[in-house]
Amino acid sequence: EDKVVQSPLSLVVHEGDTVTLNCSYEVTNFRSLLWYKQEKKAPTFLFMLTSSGIEKKSGRLSSILDKKELFSILNITATQTGDSAVYLCAVDPPSGSARQLTFGSGTQLTVLP
Amino acid sequence: NAGVTQTPKFQVLKTGQSMTLQCAQDMNHEYMSWYRQDPGMGLRLIHYSVGAGITDQGEVPNGYNVSRSTTEDFPLRLLSAAPSQTSVYFCASSPLGRHSGNTIYFGEGSWLTVV
Repeated sequence: EDKVVQSPLSLVVHEGDTVTLNCSYEVTNFRSLLWYKQEKKAPTFLFMLTSSGIEKKSGRLSSILDKKELFSILNITATQTGDSAVYLCAVDPPSGSARQLTFGSGTQLTVLP
Repeated sequence: NAGVTQTPKFQVLKTGQSMTLQCAQDMNHEYMSWYRQDPGMGLRLIHYSVGAGITDQGEVPNGYNVSRSTTEDFPLRLLSAAPSQTSVYFCASSPLGRHSGNTIYFGEGSWLTVV
């Protein structure tokens, strides 16, 4: 069974701080690792990571995958109150696999003004 | 284009009652699924379907039934509601034969409370 563990479970910071969210996984093989942002409604897609060591960036958010050490991080610089949300990572099994997408438990980020 | 539509958005049930959460998509997607989300638990897969007439169990199927008589609709039935089924439920669909990458379309969620 695929296992995805996120840490910390919750995090409280002030505006302007930089945060690093962690996602580790115990998966034999997979197609991609995904990051989502969830603000009291359905998750919205942030990043899809398929290759180790290649950083994906979108504005103040960036993410990288380390397939050797089996983890990914999501960085948010110069945080804003609008970044407050639950951040989910998920592991996408390979094509042809009977396994389904597995989500981690999420990190609740609160950004205070 | 409505995407994925879930109803109802909020529901309070008494223990032992039955109900159906409706999910419909108008994108002709093959793959549909139901997740539940509890505090600190992320999204857990209840049931999924790879096409009309085909359903399968996910990680937490007990207490739930599904059917897929058409491509568009994938209702989730609670036969005898229990307080442990208090949760937020999300329906999702994907154009491929599975959820993958950024091709997952989520409904807006259904908040269910069982008292």
